[in-house]
Amino acid sequence: DIVMTQSPLSLPVTPGEPASISCRSSQSLLHSDGNNRLDWYLQKSGQSPQLLIYLGSSRASGVPDRFSGSGSGTDFTLKISRVEAEDVGVYYCMQALQTPRTFGPGTKVDIK
Amino acid sequence: QLQLQESGPGLVKPSETLSLTCTVSGGSISSSSYYWGWIRQPPGKGLEWIGSIYYSGSTYYNPSLKSRVTISVDTSKNQFSLKLSSVTAADTAVYYCASLLVVPAAILDYWGQGTLVTVSS
Repeated sequence: DIVMTQSPLSLPVTPGEPASISCRSSQSLLHSDGNNRLDWYLQKSGQSPQLLIYLGSSRASGVPDRFSGSGSGTDFTLKISRVEAEDVGVYYCMQALQTPRTFGPGTKVDIK
Repeated sequence: QLQLQESGPGLVKPSETLSLTCTVSGGSISSSSYYWGWIRQPPGKGLEWIGSIYYSGSTYYNPSLKSRVTISVDTSKNQFSLKLSSVTAADTAVYYCASLLVVPAAILDYWGQGTLVTVSS
């Protein structure tokens, strides 16, 4: 299985400030079609995960443009340009290149 | 837009079989645009992929669970189901069903609210 790691695991943030989460995979997630099979999800407290970013950098429908994804191969980053209070929760990266899909351990984002 | 709802017993005894159903509304489970999947999350822990199914019946299971898992689809009821046999306390988790949009890349675009299944005698 592809192993996913994330850093940091905990991220206190200040509203209005930027935030960044790193995700690394044990194998390259670059598909033969040129896209990276890496998705980002946010799980707010008591809720099911919601898709933020797919194919490494494409924002899902309805996701604010303060969220952006970048990276290729084995190293990926999720950036929030200006954190808002509603952005708190646990962020997961997930590889979608191979079955079984595997998730990172999660990064808990909360307000300082 | 799609809506998914899990249903099934919240308590299962050790060694028995866990059975859950996911009812899909707002779209057809027979659509070629979607796979259908199950993911679980032990209390306070991360997410684990269980498996997925296409309307044709093609399935993909996590090898770590493959010997115990069966996912099936009932197109007449617009539902798909999960069976996990010989459960132990380690199978206690919130179980989510989700849709995977085939294009562009089988993304998990809609999730059910999740249902907690506790394995205990």
